[in-house]
Amino acid sequence: EVKLVESGGSLVQPGESLRLSCTASGFVFSAYNMHWVRQFTGGRLEWVSSITSGNTEYLGSVKGRFTISRENARNSLFLLMNSLTVEDTGIYFCARVVHTNYGPHIDLWGQGTQVTVSS
Amino acid sequence: DIQLTQSPSFLSASVGDRLTITCRASQGISYSLAWYQQKPGKAPELLIFSASTLQGGVPSRFGGSGFGTEFVLTINNLQPEDVATYYCQQVKSSPLTFGGGTKVEIK
Repeated sequence: EVKLVESGGSLVQPGESLRLSCTASGFVFSAYNMHWVRQFTGGRLEWVSSITSGNTEYLGSVKGRFTISRENARNSLFLLMNSLTVEDTGIYFCARVVHTNYGPHIDLWGQGTQVTVSS
Repeated sequence: DIQLTQSPSFLSASVGDRLTITCRASQGISYSLAWYQQKPGKAPELLIFSASTLQGGVPSRFGGSGFGTEFVLTINNLQPEDVATYYCQQVKSSPLTFGGGTKVEIK
């Protein structure tokens, strides 16, 4: 079965760190670019970060605090989140990306992991 | 950043109805738009990419059109299983951005 499974979400205090993981199965993980997307209470979706074989990109509000990485040998994607704020609270989705002439789109989503930042 | 405005934010319709959801971009994005469906408690799923290409396995009652700044998602013959929130996403330039969503309910 083709799937993505996230883990690592929890309740943390402002200023703390968290590392999210995503394990892929059923497809050749190394052949795909991957994204992290988060969803806030109320439903708003926000792209957070992306990784190709050699490049990374970040949303402006997380640049310098979040680090995306991957270990192809372990079919795994990671998101290290430092200096967390209450505005980072949400469900974090791992996502597989397919590219066309018109850009990337997400063709596979994980089930999401909840990150709650609160004192 | 490219802003996407979806309308309406809420739709209540009857089984068998034809629905249209609009997504407007703050600047031209060619055909670089995707549509996703998110059912309650689930992750989003891809419906349409490149503005009008139906993802494999998606029922043919779903359709997409548009170019530049205005895009439309059409649902023909609305079914009970179509109850969900629908999101557009521009994939023209970083940061990739999403519309605010349209929640579809059955009357």
